[in-house]
Amino acid sequence: GENVEQHPSTLSVQEGDSAVIKCTYSDSASNYFPWYKQELGKGPQLIIDIRSNVGEKKDQRIAVTLNKTAKHFSLHITETQPEDSAVYFCAASKAAGNKLTFGGGTRVLVKP
Amino acid sequence: KAGVTQTPRYLIKTRGQQVTLSCSPISGHRSVSWYQQTPGQGLQFLFEYFSETQRNKGNFPGRFSGRQFSNSRSEMNVSTLELGDSALYLCASSATGNEQFFGPGTRLTVL
Repeated sequence: GENVEQHPSTLSVQEGDSAVIKCTYSDSASNYFPWYKQELGKGPQLIIDIRSNVGEKKDQRIAVTLNKTAKHFSLHITETQPEDSAVYFCAASKAAGNKLTFGGGTRVLVKP
Repeated sequence: KAGVTQTPRYLIKTRGQQVTLSCSPISGHRSVSWYQQTPGQGLQFLFEYFSETQRNKGNFPGRFSGRQFSNSRSEMNVSTLELGDSALYLCASSATGNEQFFGPGTRLTVL
């Protein structure tokens, strides 16, 4: 089955700096890659996603890149703010069905 | 639009008991998926229901079961609870088949 690896497990950045989280997946049939942000006591919140026919997608301070050949995808957060502090999860799935396979998560701390 | 709602939010049970958790998806969403979140295993897929039929199943024992009603609301049941079943159980709903929106979860503690 699909396996998703996520690095780093923790990330501490200064406010205003950029944060980058990387994921790799194993199943070449996966074609949908969402990113979720989870704050304490809450469920995961979808922040951005990318499909395999696209190499990059941007939404304000957040961007995601996908390299299908290398089976890598990354989340980039620019101009980080304290409210970006949370746990971030990458995931992968195939077109059919809705099973998401998640990475292990990255705890991001933005220091004021 | 109201988000995904899950009830109850917190639950304490003892070993051997059974438990039923409920999920109401976003209006118009027909797919409901369930996930278990633990510090050790992370987020793991339990099963997915679409139009009252189980469409996908993860690698969990038969003690974990679910169902979906005609109004798309879903329940999951865990029988013969074990200490290791303590977790946050998350429900997610989907309309398009890919974008899943999660509820706040039910925190289950097994004593």
